[in-house]
Amino acid sequence: GESVGLHLPTLSVQEGDNSIINCAYSNSASDYFIWYKQESGKGPQFIIDIRSNMDKRQGQRVTVLLNKTVKHLSLQIAATQPGDSAVYFCAENAQTGGFKTIFGAGTRLFVKA
Amino acid sequence: DVKVTQSSRYLVKRTGEKVFLECVQDMDHENMFWYRQDPGLGLRLIYFSYDVKMKEKGDIPEGYSVSREKKERFSLILESASTNQTSMYLCASSLSRVGSYGYTFGSGTRLTVV
Repeated sequence: GESVGLHLPTLSVQEGDNSIINCAYSNSASDYFIWYKQESGKGPQFIIDIRSNMDKRQGQRVTVLLNKTVKHLSLQIAATQPGDSAVYFCAENAQTGGFKTIFGAGTRLFVKA
Repeated sequence: DVKVTQSSRYLVKRTGEKVFLECVQDMDHENMFWYRQDPGLGLRLIYFSYDVKMKEKGDIPEGYSVSREKKERFSLILESASTNQTSMYLCASSLSRVGSYGYTFGSGTRLTVV
């Protein structure tokens, strides 16, 4: 993920709408990707992961899409709920060339009731 | 429910103090990590450990040290706290040394150095 500076990008959605959060990753050798959710005052929580041999993976209300051609990852949240309000960030990991996990700076999601 | 527990949620320390941040995990993971989190910068790795008494430097180890005397416990030490170490500190553990299965994070310790 890329650092986006001191201010987090913010996404504001209406309750019930779908949310799409994007992440541009930096290492073309990265082969494992994770989305985390961090609520205020809490540590990051694993949401969903995807390996580079896949381009889509679905969980409960969440879908991750991977586009290796443009090094882009997205998280889609269906029927967004107030409890989804949090900071979401991606992490990329390259298992070749040594241990390295890079975390993105995150996107803040606000859900309006 | 598996857990990573950090001993303090909030700490306020004076410049020059020696600070200990404690982390305990109950998942029998060999791999434990300390990150700091600052607005807009993402998580940055300070130190990690892949076995008892083993440690490796991360991206920003300066001003920090660690201790891993028991498998379940990983401590971060600020030898002489400075104001630029004011931050959120996150401990994590993982099945994999190389992050292949993700991390389980603690709730974090927000440290303020005055």
